[in-house]
Amino acid sequence: DIQMTQSPSSLSASVGDTVTITCRASQGINHYLAWFQQKPGKAPKSLIYAASTLYSGVPSKFSGSGSGTDYTLTISNLQPEDFATYFCQQYDSYPFTFGPGTKVDIK
Amino acid sequence: EVQLVESGGDLVQPGRSLRLSCANSGFSFDDYAMHWVRQAPGKGLEWVAGISWNSETVGYAASVKGRFTISRDNGKNSLYLEMNRLRVEDTALYYCAKSRKYHFASPIDAWGQGTPVTVSS
Repeated sequence: DIQMTQSPSSLSASVGDTVTITCRASQGINHYLAWFQQKPGKAPKSLIYAASTLYSGVPSKFSGSGSGTDYTLTISNLQPEDFATYFCQQYDSYPFTFGPGTKVDIK
Repeated sequence: EVQLVESGGDLVQPGRSLRLSCANSGFSFDDYAMHWVRQAPGKGLEWVAGISWNSETVGYAASVKGRFTISRDNGKNSLYLEMNRLRVEDTALYYCAKSRKYHFASPIDAWGQGTPVTVSS
């Protein structure tokens, strides 16, 4: 099975900051990498697929990049609604696996 | 509007069985792969199982393989998760999720609100 790690596990940032979250797979996943946002008490929201393609309606402040085993999610100009937990997931092969999450909170 | 509505969650004793359902609307259900994802209280997301549009390809997390069965009825626009030999560690909110395409190797693009399962004596 492919193992996913994320770093950092949490970070504190201020409104207006730019933050980057890293996701690493235990083997190459051919850009089959998705990012999700989850706020407390809510279902996850799909942000990005294929490592860098934003879903319709997702603001361009979110961007994804990477290849092979290493991928990143960057959020620019952080706003109060962006403070949440972010998960990566590989869908290259079953079983799909999620990273442990990165909690972004207000400094 | 895409809607996924889970049901069937309950409080059950260890070793018992439970069947979750997910009713889908707002899209052509038989054109998309589907998944179950769970989240234990205060924990992260765990992919549980997935199924291709025609049920030919299914996959399971190691933690549930041999105990859980994912299935679908395209005529009823419904997804199911049969859970047997339930364990305390299966306690979680179970989400139904839609894939972006028909085959299994496609990302999740929509989520239900979840149905809670509690396994306790």
